Amino acid sequence: DQQVKQNSPSLSVQEGRISILNCDYTNSMFDYFLWYKKYPAEGPTFLISISSIKDKNEDGRFTVFLNKSAKHLSLHIVPSQPGDSAVYFCAASQTQGGSEKLVFGKGTKLTVNP
Amino acid sequence: KAGVTQTPRYLIKTRGQQVTLSCSPISGHRSVSWYQQTPGQGLQFLFEYFSETQRNKGNFPGRFSGRQFSNSRSEMNVSTLELGDSALYLCASSLMGPYNEQFFGPGTRLTVL
Repeated sequence: DQQVKQNSPSLSVQEGRISILNCDYTNSMFDYFLWYKKYPAEGPTFLISISSIKDKNEDGRFTVFLNKSAKHLSLHIVPSQPGDSAVYFCAASQTQGGSEKLVFGKGTKLTVNP
Repeated sequence: KAGVTQTPRYLIKTRGQQVTLSCSPISGHRSVSWYQQTPGQGLQFLFEYFSETQRNKGNFPGRFSGRQFSNSRSEMNVSTLELGDSALYLCASSLMGPYNEQFFGPGTRLTVL
C-alpha cells in the first residue's frame, strides 16, 4: 500500500514558467512533509518542508502548499530554471506518537526546457 | 563541513553472497537512515539508527540488517543476495531524526548478478 503517491512520473515546462509538482497521501496521521530534489549520480538534497499546522511555506522560488482535507500537497517553482531539472521526491512523516519513519513517493522527473 | 560519505560507490556481487556497505554521517549528526532506491519503487526506507540503537525499521526481510557505531558511522549488511537486491542504497544523516532535514550521501550502486 503506497501511502505517498506522486502520480505524474514526469513533467516538462518552459523556462520562466511555473512548475507544479503534486503529491497525495493516504495516512491522515502524517504531520510533516518534505520535498527533496535529486540529480543523477547524486543523493537527494532537501528542498523545503511544511508542518501540518501550516498550509503554505515559501522559500525563494519554492513554495509548498498543503491541503489537509484533500490529503494533497504541491510544490510550486516560480520561475522555473533549467537547473531545476531533476527528480523531485515528496516525503511524509508522522512525528507525534508515530515511528517517525519517512515515507517517500516514487518521484516526478521535472524537465525545464530553455 | 564534510558531507555524508558512502563506501564503496559501486559494487558487483553474485547471488548468494553477502555485502556490507558503509556510511559516515556529517559530524555531530546522530541519526543515520538507510534507503533503497529502485526505478520501480522509488525511495524505500530500510532502517534508522540513533545513538547506536535501531529506532525504526522498514518492511524489508531479515536479510537486511545494520548497525551504528559509537562515532555514528553506520554499516548495512545484506546476506544471501538476490537479483532483486540490485539497487542504489542511500544513507542519510540528520541531527535528531528523519523528519529533520536529512543530508544524503551519493549512494552505493549494488549490482547482483
